[in-house]
Amino acid sequence: DAKTTQPPSMDCAEGRAANLPCNHSTISGNEYVYWYRQIHSQGPQYIIHGLKNNETNEMASLIITEDRKSSTLILPHATLRDTAVYYCIVRVASGGSNYKLTFGKGTLLTVNP
Amino acid sequence: DTEVTQTPKHLVMGMTNKKSLKCEQHMGHRAMYWYKQKAKKPPELMFVYSYEKLSINESVPSRFSPECPNSSLLNLHLHALQPEDSALYLCASSQALGTLNHEQYFGPGTRLTVT
Repeated sequence: DAKTTQPPSMDCAEGRAANLPCNHSTISGNEYVYWYRQIHSQGPQYIIHGLKNNETNEMASLIITEDRKSSTLILPHATLRDTAVYYCIVRVASGGSNYKLTFGKGTLLTVNP
Repeated sequence: DTEVTQTPKHLVMGMTNKKSLKCEQHMGHRAMYWYKQKAKKPPELMFVYSYEKLSINESVPSRFSPECPNSSLLNLHLHALQPEDSALYLCASSQALGTLNHEQYFGPGTRLTVT
């Protein structure tokens, strides 16, 4: 699986958009970008995933650059409960090795009142 | 129901004890996972079960013994652990391996302390 690079920490004001970047310059054509988050003392939670088109769900939006070498997770109106470690993971879509979620160090997002 | 439950929430055990961690899901998922997470580190995969058969063992020491009694349950049997095995143990489940784009649902974890 391709590796990802994320800033170790970010701050965001409550109610503002949180934009979390991720670099994955060695991503392959059959690899998707996944985002999970882990709130303190809880298990990781799936947020969103995408291949090359931008994606949106009730939790967040995912913007993937045209060359697919980087992406941005957007939380449109961050709340204090969004304080968590956010993991960007690159993963093959299907096949024998697509079970593997390789977590990097992630970004600790702190939402401030 | 997208919930994965784990018991116990906390466990303290001595190095000579035998204990078990339990995980349960009722989402009809056919793949289940054990992860280990040390403090301030990301989760690391330990085992993967697919259709109740051990599919992946990420070179985990034999003092950790997984078991999948049925499609909803996953156990992790612990014996002769070391203090460095103290960690958060996470269980996850997903649709069958190889399925396109299956996300993993995680339980809250069991925080294990080995004394």
